[in-house]
Amino acid sequence: NAGVTQTPKFQVLKTGQSMTLQCAQDMNHNSMYWYRQDPGMGLRLIYYSASEGTTDKGEVPNGYNVSRLNKREFSLRLESAAPSQTSVYFCASSDGPTPQKPQHFGDGTRLSIL
Amino acid sequence: GNSVTQMEGPVTLSEEAFLTINCTYTATGYPSLFWYVQYPGEGLQLLLKATKADDKGSNKGFEATYRKETTSFHLEKGSVQVSDSAVYFCALSDRRGSTLGRLYFGRGTQLTVWP
Repeated sequence: NAGVTQTPKFQVLKTGQSMTLQCAQDMNHNSMYWYRQDPGMGLRLIYYSASEGTTDKGEVPNGYNVSRLNKREFSLRLESAAPSQTSVYFCASSDGPTPQKPQHFGDGTRLSIL
Repeated sequence: GNSVTQMEGPVTLSEEAFLTINCTYTATGYPSLFWYVQYPGEGLQLLLKATKADDKGSNKGFEATYRKETTSFHLEKGSVQVSDSAVYFCALSDRRGSTLGRLYFGRGTQLTVWP
């Protein structure tokens, strides 16, 4: 009963390095989301994918790219990490891009950029 | 635009005290409203939801009523427990156009309950 699985759980990078955060869901959900959580800011949407084959920018997309690899997987890539991207990243999924469908969250990736 | 404002924390209560966490929203249409809870080191979990005006969401002793006239969705619990210590997020989901299904979160309210 995994739900939404994120890897890695923790990561430390140096400024300028690149990395990909992985997310997979086993609930056959159509929609997937990437958020970042910063102290006192709540969660802010980075990118989302309403359905397989589509991706759209959210509130704070600069410095990130995404890939909806298949229905299960939605990855987030930092091409050239910056200290401002130090944050906790959450992946979520839902049955569809409709307001009544709640989102299910992974446990997060804690990323530090030095 | 869409936004959510919730009361600043932290909130500290004794066990069995009454809890209210205020949440108000601004939305362009008729949103669905949610409360999520985040326990230390974990992701967010849906606590309750309401999809139309006057709906009451409830779960685990928590309740919130969707008040369109006051654009509010306050979270309440009659008797809190130590295990309720967590961060609580109010959120709305838009029903319109390109923002369909996206969640807009408040900043979160840290609740600590002492025995």
